[in-house]
Amino acid sequence: EAGVVQSPRYKIIEKKQPVAFWCNPISGHNTLYWYLQNLGQGPELLIRYENEEAVDDSQLPKDRFSAERLKGVDSTLKIQPAELGDSAVYLCASSPGQSPVYEQYFGPGTRLTVT
Amino acid sequence: KNQVEQSPQSLIILEGKNCTLQCNYTVSPFSNLRWYKQDTGRGPVSLTIMTFSENTKSNGRYTATLDADTKQSSLHITASQLSDSASYICVVSESGYSTLTFGKGTMLLVSP
Repeated sequence: EAGVVQSPRYKIIEKKQPVAFWCNPISGHNTLYWYLQNLGQGPELLIRYENEEAVDDSQLPKDRFSAERLKGVDSTLKIQPAELGDSAVYLCASSPGQSPVYEQYFGPGTRLTVT
Repeated sequence: KNQVEQSPQSLIILEGKNCTLQCNYTVSPFSNLRWYKQDTGRGPVSLTIMTFSENTKSNGRYTATLDADTKQSSLHITASQLSDSASYICVVSESGYSTLTFGKGTMLLVSP
């Protein structure tokens, strides 16, 4: 069974440019998460989806970040415009449900560099 | 505010040696605690998960312990291998919520 798929794996853009990341969760996983991970830090939750509904987006900087999960399967995370401080790894994870007893399975991440 | 603190921040050991990583947390009410291994350039992968009633859990050469009274956990790695070089992240779940609180991780380097 395929794991969580993310693309691209690496992205280099100039500041003020837009960028988008794509995530395809494990088949059958209703809950999808986007995390931001800075170097030497643990992941920080940006947004959590339950099917197509964003149930926790309190940590998403909504002035420049947006996300969608149409049809409740794959998801995209967008930044527009990108800033230097957005350079980080963006991780996508999925789990069978919302309960904390369910394990979250992580994708390999997208490493974003903003120059 | 829920917090997870890990120590040491980084560690270098010789191949074949054992090591122990520490995790202290303030998450309450507690649901479970996980240890994740994150190889460079990869996403975290779960090693162990422990609930309130479990005080030890093994996965091969990895053994995690949990003291829910003192809110401390440790991850012991036996007979380390070069492939153990990675970041080890302690993650705690709050009861009733799917949001996880992540530690900053311990960067382990196993040297030949």
